[in-house]
Amino acid sequence: GESVGLHLPTLSVQEGDNSIINCAYSNSASDYFIWYKQESGKGPQFIIDIRSNMDKRQGQRVTVLLNKTVKHLSLQIAATQPGDSAVYFCAEANQAGTALIFGKGTTLSVSS
Amino acid sequence: DTEVTQTPKHLVMGMTNKKSLKCEQHMGHRAMYWYKQKAKKPPELMFVYSYEKLSINESVPSRFSPECPNSSLLNLHLHALQPEDSALYLCASSQESQGREAFFGQGTRLTVV
Repeated sequence: GESVGLHLPTLSVQEGDNSIINCAYSNSASDYFIWYKQESGKGPQFIIDIRSNMDKRQGQRVTVLLNKTVKHLSLQIAATQPGDSAVYFCAEANQAGTALIFGKGTTLSVSS
Repeated sequence: DTEVTQTPKHLVMGMTNKKSLKCEQHMGHRAMYWYKQKAKKPPELMFVYSYEKLSINESVPSRFSPECPNSSLLNLHLHALQPEDSALYLCASSQESQGREAFFGQGTRLTVV
């Protein structure tokens, strides 16, 4: 079946630290992955995506790493700021490639 | 305009009421989605519309009835809901129905009493 999950439900870091949020997926045929940030009371906001023909993609302060061998996805946030506090979800395209299926989510708390 | 707009933001309805949630986007996206999100859980896919036609119904109870009047609008009609249907209802859109980068609205917080 298709499922996307996260290793840790919560992550607490100090301001300025680097954060790493992990995600494991089960469908080895998945060809597209995406990270969303969801702040309290808001809808998910796109952070970064990656296709299966890549193993790394960088954005502004964020990097997504894809390890297809172990079906693992991670989001790295550099110099984490209090404004980064939110729930982070990884998602993958479903088997038909017609919608996104979300993993369980990690709550990131940044203290200053 | 890169926004998906959902109305209302909050809705309280009784179990015998009929109400509708509305979603609008003007990005020219041809795929639109409804997701349901319970507290501290990930969004769960309900419906997918592609080119104004329903392409996916994730076994959603018939008390939820989606409608896509045109390529910019998506409605979710609600009737005879149960208290356990209380949740955040999220609308999203993407350029094509390929499960790619989807833009989400702020959601409608629904409470069924």
